[in-house]
Amino acid sequence: ELKVEQNPLFLSMQEGKNYTIYCNYSTTSDRLYWYRQDPGKSLESLFVLLSNGAVKQEGRLMASLDTKARLSTLHITAAVHDLSATYFCAGTSGSARQLTFGSGTQLTVLP
Amino acid sequence: SAVISQKPSRDICQRGTSLTIQCQVDSQVTMMFWYRQQPGQSLTLIATANQGSEATYESGFVIDKFPISRPNLTFSTLTVSNMSPEDSSIYLCSAGSRLKREAFFGQGTRLTVV
Repeated sequence: ELKVEQNPLFLSMQEGKNYTIYCNYSTTSDRLYWYRQDPGKSLESLFVLLSNGAVKQEGRLMASLDTKARLSTLHITAAVHDLSATYFCAGTSGSARQLTFGSGTQLTVLP
Repeated sequence: SAVISQKPSRDICQRGTSLTIQCQVDSQVTMMFWYRQQPGQSLTLIATANQGSEATYESGFVIDKFPISRPNLTFSTLTVSNMSPEDSSIYLCSAGSRLKREAFFGQGTRLTVV
């Protein structure tokens, strides 16, 4: 059974600073997803990582995947207030592609 | 990318009643799933909606409580039956395919049971 652990659970950071969110998973997961959720909203897809060493970047967010370490990271560069949200990582298990989610990281970017 | 329409977006229901949530996808997808997000929590998979057959439920979820239908490739419903306040959550529909890379989510249904 796939388990996904995400940390930290809560993250407050100053604008302009850098930080990384970590996502560890327990067994083989051939896709790793990152989502953003704003309060009261649904999930917005950020990245899908498919292979070892995959790196994707969009604006101030960069995601990477190390399948050997069973680790994905979401790096935030020069944070701005608009990035405040909850970020989830999720892996896939089974042939049906259902997602197992991490606990989420509630990010607050302070002015 | 698939567009998923889910309704209702929110509802307040009396305990003991049932609510059916609808999920419509704008293109044919192989997979449809239903998730629950309890207040302040992450998402938990309820079941995989199988076209034309019974849904596949995860541990802790049963058909009598969460009956699911999927009559075709683009539509599914989730019913929350005999509701109690503990059922107050956001329920989300998700869709994807084995070939396509992304898994998309509907806007969610925020359910409050009083």
